[in-house]
Amino acid sequence: AQSVSQHNHHVILSEAASLELGCNYSYGGTVNLFWYVQYPGQHLQLLLKYFSGDPLVKGIKGFEAEFIKSKFSFNLRKPSVQWSDTAEYFCAVKGFQKLVFGTGTRLLVSP
Amino acid sequence: NAGVTQTPKFQVLKTGQSMTLQCAQDMNHEYMSWYRQDPGMGLRLIHYSVGAGITDQGEVPNGYNVSRSTTEDFPLRLLSAAPSQTSVYFCASSAGTSVYEQYFGPGTRLTVT
Repeated sequence: AQSVSQHNHHVILSEAASLELGCNYSYGGTVNLFWYVQYPGQHLQLLLKYFSGDPLVKGIKGFEAEFIKSKFSFNLRKPSVQWSDTAEYFCAVKGFQKLVFGTGTRLLVSP
Repeated sequence: NAGVTQTPKFQVLKTGQSMTLQCAQDMNHEYMSWYRQDPGMGLRLIHYSVGAGITDQGEVPNGYNVSRSTTEDFPLRLLSAAPSQTSVYFCASSAGTSVYEQYFGPGTRLTVT
């Protein structure tokens, strides 16, 4: 069965710092990977997705993620975070007829 | 398009009461699903549907029923509410009969006392 691990549960950064959130998955089939973001009080929104092709995927708001097949990883990165990036971030892998989500990482960016 | 809508936004129930959480989408999506979100546990799939008349169980289906009589609507029923069902519930939909990019509703915050 597929699973997703997000090892950082809480991350605190200052504005302009660089961000990397870890995501590791296990799944035996063709991998489709996602990062979703949930801003305070809002519903989940898609940040970016990987289906195939270039393993470096660019998403909205300056986020990117790199799919490394050998490491079963899909880490999320942003070179310079802003206060408005304060949110909870979820990695997900597509399995058969469902998405399997990680437990999420809460990011707090201090001004 | 309104996207995915959910009602109510907030609900308080007493143990043993039943209720239905409503979910509707106007994007003509075949795939719809219900998740619950609990602190430290991420989102867990309760039930899903790949089209009208077809539903199936997810990871945590006990205590919940669903039906899909139309493409647009996918209500979630709590048969006899328990405190363990206190959670935030999200409905989501995606195009096609498999799950790719999912569009989420605003959520329903349910408290069972």
